[in-house]
Amino acid sequence: DGGITQSPKYLFRKEGQNVTLSCEQNLNHDAMYWYRQDPGQGLRLIYYSQIVNDFQKGDIAEGYSVSREKKESFPLTVTSAQKNPTAFYLCASSPYSGTAYEQYFGPGTRLTVT
Amino acid sequence: AQTVTQSQPEMSVQEAETVTLSCTYDTSESDYYLFWYKQPPSRQMILVIRQEAYKQQNATENRFSVNFQKAAKSFSLKISDSQLGDAAMYFCAYRFLFNNDMRFGAGTRLTVKP
Repeated sequence: DGGITQSPKYLFRKEGQNVTLSCEQNLNHDAMYWYRQDPGQGLRLIYYSQIVNDFQKGDIAEGYSVSREKKESFPLTVTSAQKNPTAFYLCASSPYSGTAYEQYFGPGTRLTVT
Repeated sequence: AQTVTQSQPEMSVQEAETVTLSCTYDTSESDYYLFWYKQPPSRQMILVIRQEAYKQQNATENRFSVNFQKAAKSFSLKISDSQLGDAAMYFCAYRFLFNNDMRFGAGTRLTVKP
């Protein structure tokens, strides 16, 4: 079955540690995205990538980093510089722009930093 | 910058009744897409319905329909014959035609009463 996988579903880290969230898709989509979801704020874009080896900052990129070495994979690293990393993180993908295609979402990762 | 506003943080509806969720957006573009996503307690984002701005006809998907008012920049979602499974967070989203940057509203939590 085609889809987007995110692992793990729940992640716990100590403050000051970097942590990497996994996102893999087998939909052959060009574009991939990372969103952060906090209560009452909807989804906010962290980073997005339209092609391999290229990515752009979203609205809240500070304290995060990404890589796009393969079309299928778009891991997100939450660094110790992110002041408030506890949140629900959603990965999405879509065919490249120019069509009415929506974004397809993974199941999300709940990150808790203490 | 494009913004999406959902003015109803919470709504409730009786099972089998009809409910309308509101969404307004701000853009200077004429070519764009609008979406409604559903996020049930599992937190998986599911596309409910999409609307292309160039189409005057309102989109419908079974019990879900939209009222798209381009001049007023309004995009409401009507759910008919509400079911218990419709209980979820509903997000309105906007995407400009020529990029994949999607903007989300803050969401409306819909409760369905038996």
